[in-house]
Formats: sequence, C-alpha cells, structure tokens
Amino acid sequence: LAKTTQPISMDSYEGQEVNITCSHNNIATNDYITWYQQFPSQGPRFIIQGYKTKVTNEVASLFIPADRKSSTLSLPRVSLSDTAVYYCLVAIYGGSQGNLIFGKGTKLSVKP
Amino acid sequence: GAVVSQHPSWVICKSGTSVKIECRSLDFQATTMFWYRQFPKQSLMLMATSNEGSKATYEQGVEKDKFLINHASLTLSTLTVTSAHPEDSSFYICSAAQGNTEAFFGQGTRLTVV
Repeated sequence: LAKTTQPISMDSYEGQEVNITCSHNNIATNDYITWYQQFPSQGPRFIIQGYKTKVTNEVASLFIPADRKSSTLSLPRVSLSDTAVYYCLVAIYGGSQGNLIFGKGTKLSVKP
Repeated sequence: GAVVSQHPSWVICKSGTSVKIECRSLDFQATTMFWYRQFPKQSLMLMATSNEGSKATYEQGVEKDKFLINHASLTLSTLTVTSAHPEDSSFYICSAAQGNTEAFFGQGTRLTVV
C-alpha cells in the first residue's frame, strides 16, 4: 500500500512552471521525500530529495512544509521532453534500504 | 549521480527457457541491490532484495525458485527467470544505493516470452 497520494495526471504547456503536490500524512521521522521521473521503457531517474524546508537543484525545486505531511515538486519552464510519470516516495534514508513503495505516480503531459 | 547499468535492455525468449538479467553498479559498491517488476501502465513492484554474499530476500508472492537472484560481488547482481512463461513478460528494473542515500535505478530490461 503506497504511503503517498498524488494526482493521477496533469497537463501543461511548454514554458510553464509545473507544481506537483504529494500527500504523505503518515510520514515518519526518519523518512526522506524523494521524487523520481520515469519515461516509457526506462528505469526511474532520481530528480530530487529532501527532508524539510526547500531543496533546489539544477532540475527542480522541492518544497516541504513544516509538518512534512505534503511536498511539492516544482519544475520550472517545462519542455516537451518533461512529459513523463513522476513518482513521489517517502522512505527511510531515501530508499537505500530497499523500502521504496511506488504509488501510481503523476503522468505529466506537456503540450506545445 | 551514481550509475546503475542493466543488461540486456531487451530480450525475447521461448517459453520454458531461462533468461539472465545483469545489474551492475558502475561507479560505486552496492552491498544491496533491489529488483522490481513493472507491468504495462502499472507502477513498480519490489520483487526481492539482493544482498552481497547471502541469500536474497523475496517479497510475498514472488517465487524464489522461479526468480533466482545471485549477488556475487559488490557491483553485480543477476536475476534469472527460470522456465519463463508468457505471463513473466514484463519490464524488470534493478536499483542500488550508495550508503544511506537515495537509490539509483538501472535502465530496465524488457522481457518478452513467446
């Protein structure tokens, strides 16, 4: 049973900022929040990971409120190549212990 | 980030034969690797945890005698699908972690059993 809830799908247009929110009401103290991107017939690709507040890298930003019961992945200025399924996962040590439970993910469709 | 490589990327085999899939961590040592299976339009499901030098730990409902896992070194784990049947056709993905950090995934192996 997945520990996260996220929208099944989202549509956007090129150049827009996309925010995908994930709910994880039962997140534990030792859990990290990790987002992965998956293209068809490819393995998931790590995007970003965080524990609290805000994390930013060259690809995305991750916003985590103080209660950590949700998180928002922000993709700035998306392009057609960002069309993919995005998974939000919470796990001890970010999943290094093999405790990654994948939910259904959010299918993002970017249109021209 | 760390690189995890799978081989082959795709394979077609006849029903009843066995297929071996390799998972390698290219630039780090992974004491533990994980094997997932993903059916079309579905999410990834963990099959087993592969521990270097010891027996793998299988998830409930996964037949250990059918899905043989060997973790012979710190950089290689193999999954062998024995006596494959068409219902075993799926996308198999491995992952590994470098220490207590995020897990990195291989590119996946598309298995088609005919």
